[in-house]
Amino acid sequence: GAGVSQSPSNKVTEKGKDVELRCDPISGHTALYWYRQSLGQGLEFLIYFQGNSAPDKSGLPSDRFSAERTGGSVSTLTIQRTQQEDSAVYLCASSLWELGYGYTFGSGTRLTVV
Amino acid sequence: KNEVEQSPQNLTAQEGEFITINCSYSVGISALHWLQQHPGGGIVSLFMLSSGKKKHGRLIATINIQEKHSSLHITASHPRDSAVYICAVRSRDSNYQLIWGAGTKLIIKP
Repeated sequence: GAGVSQSPSNKVTEKGKDVELRCDPISGHTALYWYRQSLGQGLEFLIYFQGNSAPDKSGLPSDRFSAERTGGSVSTLTIQRTQQEDSAVYLCASSLWELGYGYTFGSGTRLTVV
Repeated sequence: KNEVEQSPQNLTAQEGEFITINCSYSVGISALHWLQQHPGGGIVSLFMLSSGKKKHGRLIATINIQEKHSSLHITASHPRDSAVYICAVRSRDSNYQLIWGAGTKLIIKP
């Protein structure tokens, strides 16, 4: 597509429920990143996918968080047993090549855990 | 001490003023990014620099690798430039992760 597409744009969930956030990167972009931004905070790195390499999961805050990228394209970030501190905007970005090119960000998913 | 420091944290100026936002970093980098985040949350990549200077419209970005410092300038500022401007560096030690500055909140008054 023309840009990075994220869905849903807004999600309100009850504490303890599981949620899935989707990111559809720009076609052909091999690198895909998930970040989150809590209210008033900077961007926090979560996970990075590059091609067929094993993802870098070093930013995932707990084992309740997981992500996968199917076929080198669409990615899903899953949060199990959501907690109120998970409330944030979850941003996805893609780039053509992780070293040499800029990023294109999606519009984000605003997650509210009540 | 943060590895990426931005200044000022907040900046309010009148329309037409020349704006400068600074970014200093303490790690070796392969690239530096300037990004813009609008009040609605959307993030736009403005520049990626590894040396010298880049210009796009009223925006100018410079980087001094020896001094580990970059500046983002806005000429003839306009209220629509109001946003948070974020500096992020790609550390040579982690070529895929960006280290983010805290951002500079810019408000341009008409």
